[in-house]
Amino acid sequence: GAGVSQSPSNKVTEKGKDVELRCDPISGHTALYWYRQSLGQGLEFLIYFQGNSAPDKSGLPSDRFSAERTGGSVSTLTIQRTQQEDSAVYLCASSLGAGGSGELFFGEGSRLTVL
Amino acid sequence: AQSVTQPDIHITVSEGASLELRCNYSYGATPYLFWYVQSPGQGLQLLLKYFSGDTLVQGIKGFEAEFKRSQSSFNLRKPSVHWSDAAEYFCAVVPEGGFKTIFGAGTRLFVKA
Repeated sequence: GAGVSQSPSNKVTEKGKDVELRCDPISGHTALYWYRQSLGQGLEFLIYFQGNSAPDKSGLPSDRFSAERTGGSVSTLTIQRTQQEDSAVYLCASSLGAGGSGELFFGEGSRLTVL
Repeated sequence: AQSVTQPDIHITVSEGASLELRCNYSYGATPYLFWYVQSPGQGLQLLLKYFSGDTLVQGIKGFEAEFKRSQSSFNLRKPSVHWSDAAEYFCAVVPEGGFKTIFGAGTRLFVKA
């Protein structure tokens, strides 16, 4: 696609449920990031995929959070047993990665509300 | 510890006044440096970036930033602010020799008439 696509744009769930957020990066971009932005807060790094390398999971806040990237393209961020503090906007970004300009292209985000 | 610091949580300037947003980093001598803007209800957009060469870089919307190696700073400036510049501004760094982008906490800009 022309840009980074995220779905759903909005998700309301009950505490304790699992949620999946999807990111479709720009074609040809080898690097993919997930960030979390809570109300009035900055961008909290969650996880980083670069090509076929092992992902950098150093930002995942707990073992309830996991992410996959299949075929070097689409990524899914999964939050298990959601808690109210998980409510935030989850942003996905992609870039050309190694050897590229380093510029990140962001999706519109998935707004998660946990009741 | 390695960090990207934006010391001002929010700044208010009058329309037409000049603007400077501060950013300091501690990721080696020659990181890649970026400024992004997030307008209300919109995604993040790149304003400008610095890789090497001329330490004063020009970006979109009339913004510029100056890389000062001695101060580990990359401050964003605009000579005359417009009401449409009200947004949140993020400084970001790709550390020297690395690929992961690290963001500062952001500075929210308010513009008063």
